[in-house]
Amino acid sequence: AQKITQTQPGMFVQEKEAVTLDCTYDTSDPSYGLFWYKQPSSGEMIFLIYQGSYDQQNATEGRYSLNFQKARKSANLVISASQLGDSAMYFCAMREVFTGTASKLTFGTGTRLQVTL
Amino acid sequence: DADVTQTPRNRITKTGKRIMLECSQTKGHDRMYWYRQDPGLGLQLIYYSFDVKDINKGEISDGYSVSRQAQAKFSLSLESAIPNQTALYFCATSDPTGGTGELFFGEGSRLTVL
Repeated sequence: AQKITQTQPGMFVQEKEAVTLDCTYDTSDPSYGLFWYKQPSSGEMIFLIYQGSYDQQNATEGRYSLNFQKARKSANLVISASQLGDSAMYFCAMREVFTGTASKLTFGTGTRLQVTL
Repeated sequence: DADVTQTPRNRITKTGKRIMLECSQTKGHDRMYWYRQDPGLGLQLIYYSFDVKDINKGEISDGYSVSRQAQAKFSLSLESAIPNQTALYFCATSDPTGGTGELFFGEGSRLTVL
C-alpha cells in the first residue's frame, strides 16, 4: 500500500493566486513527521516545511502553510500568492519515528506545479 | 560550497561499465542515504548508513553497492550498469538528534546508461 499519495500529477495556477497541493498518508505509527520538498527544473531538492504528528498548530513558513488534518491523514501544502518561481515539482514525504527505519523519508510521486501569468 | 556534494553531476556510460557516484558532506551528520529518482515514481531509497560500520539496504538495492569510507563520505557503485539504472541519484544526510529529521540533499547526479 502506498504510504504517501499525491493524486495530482500536474496543477496550474495563475500568478498571485493561492494553490493547494494534496497529500494523504498512511501509517499506524503514533509519531511521525510530514515534509514538503520543492524540486525546480534544475533538479535540487529544497526543503519547504515540516509538520510533526503531535504539533497542535498547522505549520507555516512564509508563503507556505501545511493544512494538517490528522483524522483524515492529509497534509496538504498551501502556497499563497503564487510566483513564477514557484513552478516546480513538489514532493510530500513522511518519516515514521517508531516503525520507520533510520529516519528515512518515504516520498510521494510528486505534483508538478506550473504558475502562469 | 554545498554542504552535501555529489560527483559527478552528470555521467553518460555504456551497459556493463562500472560506475561510482561519490558523496561528501560537511554537515557532520552520521546518517547518510542514497536515493534514486525516476519520473513518476518519486524518490526511492537504495542504501542508508548510520555510521561507518553500519550500512543497510533500502527498497531497491539490487544492482547497487555502497561504501562508507568515512563519516563524511558515502559512495554508490553500479558494478555493471544497465539501461534501466538511468535515473537521477541523490545523496542525503540527516541528524536524528535534533530538529525535524529532515534530509539534506546533494545537488543530484544524473546518470544515463546507454
